[in-house]
Amino acid sequence: SYELTQPPSVSVSPGQTAGITCSGDALPKQYAYWYRQKPGQAPVLVIYKDTERPSGIPERFSGSSSGTTVTLTISGVQAEDEADYYCQSADNNGAYVVFGGGTKLTVL
Amino acid sequence: QLQLQESGSGPVKPSQTLSLTCAVSGGSISSGGYSWNWIRQPPGKGLEWIGSIYDDGTTDYNPSLKSRVTISVDRSKNQFALKLTSVTAADTAVYFCARRCTTASCFLGYCFDYWGQGTLVTVSS
Repeated sequence: SYELTQPPSVSVSPGQTAGITCSGDALPKQYAYWYRQKPGQAPVLVIYKDTERPSGIPERFSGSSSGTTVTLTISGVQAEDEADYYCQSADNNGAYVVFGGGTKLTVL
Repeated sequence: QLQLQESGSGPVKPSQTLSLTCAVSGGSISSGGYSWNWIRQPPGKGLEWIGSIYDDGTTDYNPSLKSRVTISVDRSKNQFALKLTSVTAADTAVYFCARRCTTASCFLGYCFDYWGQGTLVTVSS
């Protein structure tokens, strides 16, 4: 079955830049999406179509793509950014949705 | 503003069937161009897509759950449902319903743009 691979955890100090990667063989063909999830809440979309930012999401959130890896970058991390982050995409045919295992972002 | 709300039968015993409903308000489930999905999250773990139902009633399921899952839609009530048979403790999770756009014209692409708040289902004897 198709999988997306994320690091389990990333830690940064306030004001620094955090990068979270997501790797998958179908990513050159399928867009990736990033969600932020805080405890007890539903996920919220922070990046769509690899690099686009929805309205209402701060400019410090950005996305990039290179080959089989996409990256979520949070510049000038703030304490409120501490959360779990998930990438989401689909298999080569687009029929089956897959989530990465999630990355816990800790703001030191 | 579209809203989704999960509801279910409460705790489930092992080997029984888990049943959940997602009520959609603020928009029609028959509006077209979207799939209606179930996603779950075991306590302390990540998100797992369960399956989708499309405008025409066709479905896609996660291969790992396919033999036990049925997703259906009741357009008269503007809701869709999940049934998961032969449950075990491993099926204990928060279950979310969510909408996903399915056409190339979707501004946000094929993301999950609206989610319910989630409902915890515990499988225990």
